[in-house]
Amino acid sequence: EPEVTQTPSHQVTQMGQEVILRCVPISNHLYFYWYRQILGQKVEFLVSFYNNEISEKSEIFDDQFSVERPDGSNFTLKIRSTKLEDSAMYFCASMGQLNTEAFFGQGTRLTVV
Amino acid sequence: GENVEQHPSTLSVQEGDSAVIKCTYSDSASNYFPWYKQELGKRPQLIIDIRSNVGEKKDQRIAVTLNKTAKHFSLHITETQPEDSAVYFCAASTGANNLFFGTGTRLTVIP
Repeated sequence: EPEVTQTPSHQVTQMGQEVILRCVPISNHLYFYWYRQILGQKVEFLVSFYNNEISEKSEIFDDQFSVERPDGSNFTLKIRSTKLEDSAMYFCASMGQLNTEAFFGQGTRLTVV
Repeated sequence: GENVEQHPSTLSVQEGDSAVIKCTYSDSASNYFPWYKQELGKRPQLIIDIRSNVGEKKDQRIAVTLNKTAKHFSLHITETQPEDSAVYFCAASTGANNLFFGTGTRLTVIP
């Protein structure tokens, strides 16, 4: 069964460093998302992406964040200058059509020290 | 954006009893309401969804109801089993490219 894959599974970074989280969505999907989940809390919407551009973004997704689909398969989330409060599990998701199942990756646990 | 509220935050039931989780949403344009189950340390996975053109949907022991007028929807799990223990998230989408989640309910089924 096709699935969304994310790398790395765990990333530890120094505060102020840049990180890139990578996702490979399901191949025929068109809609892509990044979510964040701080330990024990809700799944928070960060950004959605369609047709090579951002569709919507939340207040969390400030100028420190950017997304890219560089090669038609990978979908990346970049955090330019990480802060301690960026520590969370980051989930990528993809959807084939709007209002259908969003398939989540297994997540990248980001720890900022 | 859409604001989805979910209650209760924790729920404990005896095995075999029913569990009900309720959500409200703020944006009347929302028209798609999925429910996701997240087991400890794992990714969220869809268990059932409902669209705004129906009021109720059932899949074996799981059912979801939607009241568009009141802007709330509920998940009902009957004959609960220990493997139902997880965190359940409701979500809402306006049909634009978004999906907003509730705060989650930690369900514990006591054997």
